Amino acid sequence: QQPVQSPQAVILREGEDAVINCSSSKALYSVHWYRQKHGEAPVFLMILLKGGEQKGHEKISASFNEKKQQSSLYLTASQLSYSGTYFCGTERSGGSYIPTFGRGTSLIVHP
Amino acid sequence: DGGITQSPKYLFRKEGQNVTLSCEQNLNHDAMYWYRQDPGQGLRLIYYSQIVNDFQKGDIAEGYSVSREKKESFPLTVTSAQKNPTAFYLCASTYRGEQYFGPGTRLTVT
Repeated sequence: QQPVQSPQAVILREGEDAVINCSSSKALYSVHWYRQKHGEAPVFLMILLKGGEQKGHEKISASFNEKKQQSSLYLTASQLSYSGTYFCGTERSGGSYIPTFGRGTSLIVHP
Repeated sequence: DGGITQSPKYLFRKEGQNVTLSCEQNLNHDAMYWYRQDPGQGLRLIYYSQIVNDFQKGDIAEGYSVSREKKESFPLTVTSAQKNPTAFYLCASTYRGEQYFGPGTRLTVT
């Protein structure tokens, strides 16, 4: 079952912060986050393997709440290069590494 | 440089014709995947293969077929049975949970 992402779209000015949420009705074994620029392939951002795990990549970080079956992606002090569509992928079963992707959140950063 | 190549980037076909999309990787990854992307739909899994000579259907396999005769190659055939084949097709491989995507093939069927 497809995870639900919210919001569907975010419009920001440079330097502002954003949070993208990903929730599932099924137990989560891991959560993957990707960013896709228009017309390009998705690019891996990070994977969270354990409940409670948090990771960061420059000014982009994520958390994984296993009990609530949800993950959040945090973008701080956003840059123009952060624009794109963000997808979360939730693993179907432990160790399978076959994610089911959400529908994506479109992020637009204006100067 | 290691990576995944897909060809061609754009493909046009007439309705009723089968078409094969190429996917090649030199990352030495065992697992490979095919996804279809439509506007607002995210990525939907068509087929995946975790080892040579073996593959499994994903969520939307009807109208598609694959083969995995070599570790490096995982071609996807879109058959005439696929009712809405126009889409962006992405091939990927996986290593330690991270998916590496090819540049994609945009297929238009008229």
